[in-house]
Amino acid sequence: AQSVTQLGSHVSVSEGALVLLRCNYSSSVPPYLFWYVQYPNQGLQLLLKYTTGATLVKGINGFEAEFKKSETSFHLTKPSAHMSDAAEYFCAVSDPFGNEKLTFGTGTRLTIIP
Amino acid sequence: EAGVAQSPRYKIIEKRQSVAFWCNPISGHATLYWYQQILGQGPKLLIQFQNNGVVDDSQLPKDRFSAERLKGVDSTLKIQPAKLEDSAVYLCASSPRGARGEETQYFGPGTRLLVL
Repeated sequence: AQSVTQLGSHVSVSEGALVLLRCNYSSSVPPYLFWYVQYPNQGLQLLLKYTTGATLVKGINGFEAEFKKSETSFHLTKPSAHMSDAAEYFCAVSDPFGNEKLTFGTGTRLTIIP
Repeated sequence: EAGVAQSPRYKIIEKRQSVAFWCNPISGHATLYWYQQILGQGPKLLIQFQNNGVVDDSQLPKDRFSAERLKGVDSTLKIQPAKLEDSAVYLCASSPRGARGEETQYFGPGTRLLVL
């Protein structure tokens, strides 16, 4: 069975500072990995995903993530935080040999300090 | 391109009552999902449809929850009777082809259910 662990349910950073949201996964095979963002009272929106190929993945709004197989990690980063980045972020995995079922982490709420 | 539509956006009911949620996926998307998101947790898949057939309903509490996908397009999720622990946001998502795990899922805004 696959699982996702997001370290830190709440993260606060100052505007302009580095954003780092942590995600570790457990899977018997290298999974597909996703980061979704959820703004208040909205559905989830895909930020970026890793399937195959280059391990550094760039997404929307200046976010990127790096797949590190040896560390079973897929941490999300952004060099300079903006007030509009305040939201909840979810890491998710899916089985490349199964259906499209996503297994989500518990989420990290990002607060931006002016 | 219109996104995934859901209604109602909010619903308050008393325990033991029934409730239904509606989802209209993105036009042409073959796969439709219903997720339950309890406060403070990540979304949990309840049921997955490929066209109008069920692919995965292993986490659907079938004694009280039911879902159908009409003609492979719209879908309804029903709870009867509702319990307090069903209070959650119910998210609908769709994806184009139902390929193996790599496709992006597109989410609707969700229906927030409060059971009193």
